[in-house]
Amino acid sequence: DTAVSQTPKYLVTQMGNDKSIKCEQNLGHDTMYWYKQDSKKFLKIMFSYNNKELIINETVPNRFSPKSPDKAHLNLHINSLELGDSAVYFCASSSTGASGQHYNEQFFGPGTRLTVL
Amino acid sequence: GDSVTQMEGPVTLSEEAFLTINCTYTATGYPSLFWYVQYPGEGLQLLLKATKADDKGSNKGFEATYRKETTSFHLEKGSVQVSDSAVYFCALTHRSGGGADGLTFGKGTHLIIQP
Repeated sequence: DTAVSQTPKYLVTQMGNDKSIKCEQNLGHDTMYWYKQDSKKFLKIMFSYNNKELIINETVPNRFSPKSPDKAHLNLHINSLELGDSAVYFCASSSTGASGQHYNEQFFGPGTRLTVL
Repeated sequence: GDSVTQMEGPVTLSEEAFLTINCTYTATGYPSLFWYVQYPGEGLQLLLKATKADDKGSNKGFEATYRKETTSFHLEKGSVQVSDSAVYFCALTHRSGGGADGLTFGKGTHLIIQP
């Protein structure tokens, strides 16, 4: 029944490693997102993606790259991990309205806590 | 750019007290406004929303009214319970004819309800 799921829930790794976080939604939505929540609980959009376009927040380093094998999945790949990448990463999804308008009621996954040592 | 400002906590109240969490925003046009709640160790859940001026969103005893003239969307509840303890986020996004806007969040308000 899980609407938006993420794996793994916890990820501990060394600096310099490359890692991926997976996200899947079974809501039939056409748009998916990645957010980063820092240690002070501040949430910031990293990417939004549908089958038409990828929108990247300009503050996101190019070590981060979203990969979407199909509409139900949006994985986050991170190269050369740094200490500052430690955070909780949330995946979310939403649906575009019939007229193309986005009311953006987004459904969130449970989060992946990434710790870089 | 867009921004959301909300009172920072923690806010500590006794059970059955009246709750107000202030939220104001800066944005062009007519954004949609949301309150999300994050319980400890969990993801975000949509609590309520309003998509145009003077709309009132409500859910689980919480209410917020979209006030365009004061660019505000304050969250209220008449009688809080211990189970309401969580972090509350005010957020906005734009209705767009194409593309997918992310949510712009406030910094979150940690609410603690004591029995």
